[in-house]
Amino acid sequence: GAVVSQHPSWVICKSGTSVKIECRSLDFQATTMFWYRQFPKQSLMLMATSNEGSKATYEQGVEKDKFLINHASLTLSTLTVTSAHPEDSSFYICSARDPSGGPFYEQYFGPGTRLTVT
Amino acid sequence: QKEVEQDPGPLSVPEGAIVSLNCTYSNSAFQYFMWYRQYSRKGPELLMYTYSSGNKEDGRFTAQVDKSSKYISLFIRDSQPSDSATYLCAMSAYNTDKLIFGTGTRLQVFP
Repeated sequence: GAVVSQHPSWVICKSGTSVKIECRSLDFQATTMFWYRQFPKQSLMLMATSNEGSKATYEQGVEKDKFLINHASLTLSTLTVTSAHPEDSSFYICSARDPSGGPFYEQYFGPGTRLTVT
Repeated sequence: QKEVEQDPGPLSVPEGAIVSLNCTYSNSAFQYFMWYRQYSRKGPELLMYTYSSGNKEDGRFTAQVDKSSKYISLFIRDSQPSDSATYLCAMSAYNTDKLIFGTGTRLQVFP
């Protein structure tokens, strides 16, 4: 099956610094990737949708200047949390869509990145 | 009101039990219904998906969708300790890849 990786799996950073999280589709080309945030005991909340070679589409309430998304190739999307603060501490999960599917495109999820801002 | 409601549990059952997990939703535009399994500190893994109403069976798992009641269910037969995880329902409307997730139900199957 399709595999999506994320790096790093866990990162601790100091308040005010920036952190970059990578999401890679390992065995397929993903025209679209998604970034989610999950707080403890809460559902996954879509933050943004990124299409290769174009600007990301952010969900309402998500600060585009704080969460920078770059989808430079068909296998790599990055999320940069700029000037991180403790309230940004969360579990960030990416997913990728395999365009070779039928009318319903399955999203394959990465293992997630736990961000802790101190 | 949330678009998708799911009882967070936890649900604790003995091995071999039949488990019923449910979600309700309010958006009648939802056409695709999915169940994901998520182990602790891991990404979700797709278990089953159905399109529109009806039942779908895959091994020990059965997914049901009742669009008239805006209610979906996942049944797990002969539950195993390895089924212990959080189960998330997710939905999307036709021609969109945006998934709306429930909060997840934590299931524990004890030997």
